[in-house]
Amino acid sequence: AQSVSQHNHHVILSEAASLELGCNYSYGGTVNLFWYVQYPGQHLQLLLKYFSGDPLVKGIKGFEAEFIKSKFSFNLRKPSVQWSDTAEYFCAVRSNAGNMLTFGGGTRLMVKP
Amino acid sequence: DAGVTQSPTHLIKTRGQQVTLRCSPKSGHDTVSWYQQALGQGPQFIFQYYEEEERQRGNFPDRFSGHQFPNYSSELNVNALLLGDSALYLCASSPGLGPSNEQFFGPGTRLTVL
Repeated sequence: AQSVSQHNHHVILSEAASLELGCNYSYGGTVNLFWYVQYPGQHLQLLLKYFSGDPLVKGIKGFEAEFIKSKFSFNLRKPSVQWSDTAEYFCAVRSNAGNMLTFGGGTRLMVKP
Repeated sequence: DAGVTQSPTHLIKTRGQQVTLRCSPKSGHDTVSWYQQALGQGPQFIFQYYEEEERQRGNFPDRFSGHQFPNYSSELNVNALLLGDSALYLCASSPGLGPSNEQFFGPGTRLTVL
């Protein structure tokens, strides 16, 4: 069975600081990788996704993530966070064998103005 | 273009009761998945419907059942409610079963079991 681990449960940053959220997954086969964001009071939205090709993927709002196959990792990064990035971030994995998403436990990010 | 809609928004039930949650997929989508998100945790996959059949199921007991209608909308039913069933229930829709199809999430139904 596949699983996803997000190392940081809570992160507090000041505006303009750089962000990196860790995500590791366990699954031996081919996977699709996702980062979702949940802003306060809103529903889950897709930030970015990796299916194949260039392991560095760019998403919305200046976010990017790098897939490192040898480390089973898909870390999310942003060079300079804004107060509006305050939200909960979820890493998710989907194997090619099925269509279900397996989510990590989430990282709650607070950006101080 | 309406996104994924869910009803009701909030629901309070007591232990042992039964509940039905409803989901209308995004226009053009024919596949519906249901997830349970307990407080402080990530969503967990319950099951997925396509062509009115359950296609894949997560690790949830038979108390959790579902249905998909010809118009692609879906219901999630939970029988014999337990306190531990209190959670946000999310519906997601996608255009088909293909693994490259993005799942769009609804706002969720928050179920409280007393």
